Amino acid sequence: AQKITQTQPGMFVQEKEAVTLDCTYDTSDQSYGLFWYKQPSSGEMIFLIYQGSYDEQNATEGRYSLNFQKARKSANLVISASQLGDSAMYFCAMREGPENSGYSTLTFGKGTMLLVSP
Amino acid sequence: NAGVTQTPKFHILKTGQSMTLQCAQDMNHGYMSWYRQDPGMGLRLIYYSAAAGTTDKEVPNGYNVSRLNTEDFPLRLVSAAPSQTSVYLCANPTNPYNEQFFGPGTRLTVL
Repeated sequence: AQKITQTQPGMFVQEKEAVTLDCTYDTSDQSYGLFWYKQPSSGEMIFLIYQGSYDEQNATEGRYSLNFQKARKSANLVISASQLGDSAMYFCAMREGPENSGYSTLTFGKGTMLLVSP
Repeated sequence: NAGVTQTPKFHILKTGQSMTLQCAQDMNHGYMSWYRQDPGMGLRLIYYSAAAGTTDKEVPNGYNVSRLNTEDFPLRLVSAAPSQTSVYLCANPTNPYNEQFFGPGTRLTVL
């Protein structure tokens, strides 16, 4: 079974509108972390936002927020007021194990391509 | 402070040739990882090293790694195959969340 599932291969949104990118995950660990990365056409991986499994509040970073529903094992990314520069590939990823463990690799989903139109 | 650097940015190999992808970090982190990225597949972990002098016990077929010091984590393709055509990303985790800090990647084509 996939550990990270992103069911939307592509999404379209108009500039200034909000968009939600879906992510569900599967783990038996009690302590884990969820990440979203943005990869523009330049290829660099840009870290956007993080949610720890014990965080009670949904994470927010500027126009990005993470809608964390632990019981449903979902960690959707919400981008408010989309901009043309938001057009990119977006990856959801998971760290299994606690923070500050000194080690981690991440398991990534297959990504969602977001296109923002004027 | 460059973070994670990778060379080369692009390379084309013929089947059967060998090549080393270079990765270096200046953040003095113990863990370093290699991922490959293929269209429609996301990023997949190839290998990681916990510290200088250590590597994971299972090396995927077709690859060889070494970790002689903290800074460098080269990935060697022993006898390149077309299935190894990919973008290779080197990364290491940052505290406290252990998110991966990625290098710019090497786009490799094996003909």
